Amino acid sequence: GQNIDQPTEMTATEGAIVQINCTYQTSGFNGLFWYQQHAGEAPTFLSYNVLDGLEEKGRFSSFLSRSKGYSYLLLKELQMKDSASYLCAVRDTGGFKTIFGAGTRLFVKA
Amino acid sequence: GAGVSQSPRYKVAKRGQDVALRCDPISGHVSLFWYQQALGQGPEFLTYFQNEAQLDKSGLPSDRFFAERPEGSVSTLKIQRTQQEDSAVYLCASSLAETEKETQYFGPGTRLLVL
Repeated sequence: GQNIDQPTEMTATEGAIVQINCTYQTSGFNGLFWYQQHAGEAPTFLSYNVLDGLEEKGRFSSFLSRSKGYSYLLLKELQMKDSASYLCAVRDTGGFKTIFGAGTRLFVKA
Repeated sequence: GAGVSQSPRYKVAKRGQDVALRCDPISGHVSLFWYQQALGQGPEFLTYFQNEAQLDKSGLPSDRFFAERPEGSVSTLKIQRTQQEDSAVYLCASSLAETEKETQYFGPGTRLLVL
């Protein structure tokens, strides 16, 4: 079956670093995406990993280990505006079907 | 330029009514996706178009759901004989090309409530 697991909620302090983990078990793998979604709004793209390793983009970094079926999103220098849901998504092989996790709600406190 | 737009933003339907949800993708985007997002959950894939061709409709939950993109731009998701379990946010996304790594740009969604 297809399964993507992420923690339901996390809380962190403004200015700190937070790591959001994602494990996946899918029948195929053709890349992993992270999206940010503020309440009531559309998801917006953060990162894409298809090879093992770390991709860094400003305050956001994403890591992938295909052999472990594991990824994480690292957010540095947290700001209040980073309070949102973070969605981990895996693209299946042989097509364009993308499977999303339920999302991790991040609360950033002062 | 304009992003992905969807209409209506909110729709209240009585059980048994038919509804039609519209998606205007970013101009020139080849790929178009429909997702269903229940409260507190991630988006669930419904269907995928490449231009006017519907290449994957494996996520459509029943034959009451039908999607089309006749001219390869605007798409409509139609739900016949709506049921309460159809209440959700319906998201449309488009991407420039048909390669797997292409970023999907999401619209604001249509929030459907079936009473």
